[in-house]
Amino acid sequence: AQSVAQPEDQVNVAEGNPLTVKCTYSVSGNPYLFWYVQYPNRGLQFLLKYITGDNLVKGSYGFEAEFNKSQTSFHLKKPSALVSDSALYFCAVRDNSNYQLIWGAGTKLIIKP
Amino acid sequence: EAGVAQSPRYKIIEKRQSVAFWCNPISGHATLYWYQQILGQGPKLLIQFQNNGVVDDSQLPKDRFSAERLKGVDSTLKIQPAKLEDSAVYLCASSPGLAGALGQFFGPGTRLTVL
Repeated sequence: AQSVAQPEDQVNVAEGNPLTVKCTYSVSGNPYLFWYVQYPNRGLQFLLKYITGDNLVKGSYGFEAEFNKSQTSFHLKKPSALVSDSALYFCAVRDNSNYQLIWGAGTKLIIKP
Repeated sequence: EAGVAQSPRYKIIEKRQSVAFWCNPISGHATLYWYQQILGQGPKLLIQFQNNGVVDDSQLPKDRFSAERLKGVDSTLKIQPAKLEDSAVYLCASSPGLAGALGQFFGPGTRLTVL
C-alpha cells in the first residue's frame, strides 16, 4: 500500500540549531515527493519537491530535503532554525496510479529562543 | 500571479444548517481539489475536478456534501445539512495539470465551526 509516515508528532529545536523533520514513504513507481508548511490559520504553503535529479533539493525559507532511495526517506532539513520556522510540516508523495497526493499526518515543529 | 482565493475565511453555523464555500483557483490551472482538514491531521481529499468534470469524489459524503465547477474555473462546495463532525478547515487547491508533478497550490482555507 502506498503511504507516507512522519514518525514524530512534534520536534523541538533551539533557535540557531540545525533541524530535521523526518518522512518515509512507500509508493509504486518513481516517487514524486513534496514538503508543505502550515502556519496557524493559514493554508498549506509549498516548500519544495523532489521529482528527479540531485538528491539534495533546496526550497523556500532556507529549507532543503534529502532524498534517499534505499531508505525511502525524504527528510526536511535546515542548517540554522529560526523561531519563525515554528509551524506544522507535512510530507506528501504522489500516488502514481491516480496522481493524487498521499499525505503524512504532519509534524509540529517548535523552535525555542 | 494571484494565488488561490477562498471565501469566507470563517463560518459558524448550527447543526442542520447549510453552508457554502467558494474557491477561485490560480488562473490557467485545470485541476481543482477540495480537502477537509480536521485539526491536527493531514488533509483529506473530498473531490477533484479536471476542468468542469469530476475526476474523483469517492471520499465525498454525497448525502450531505456537493460540489460543482460549472465553467471550469470557480468552484463551490456545499454542506446541507451540517453535522457537528463537519467542523474542520476546508482547503481548496489547484494545479496546472492532472499529473501533479508541479505540486498543488493551496488557498488560505475556510474554518467551519458547527455548533
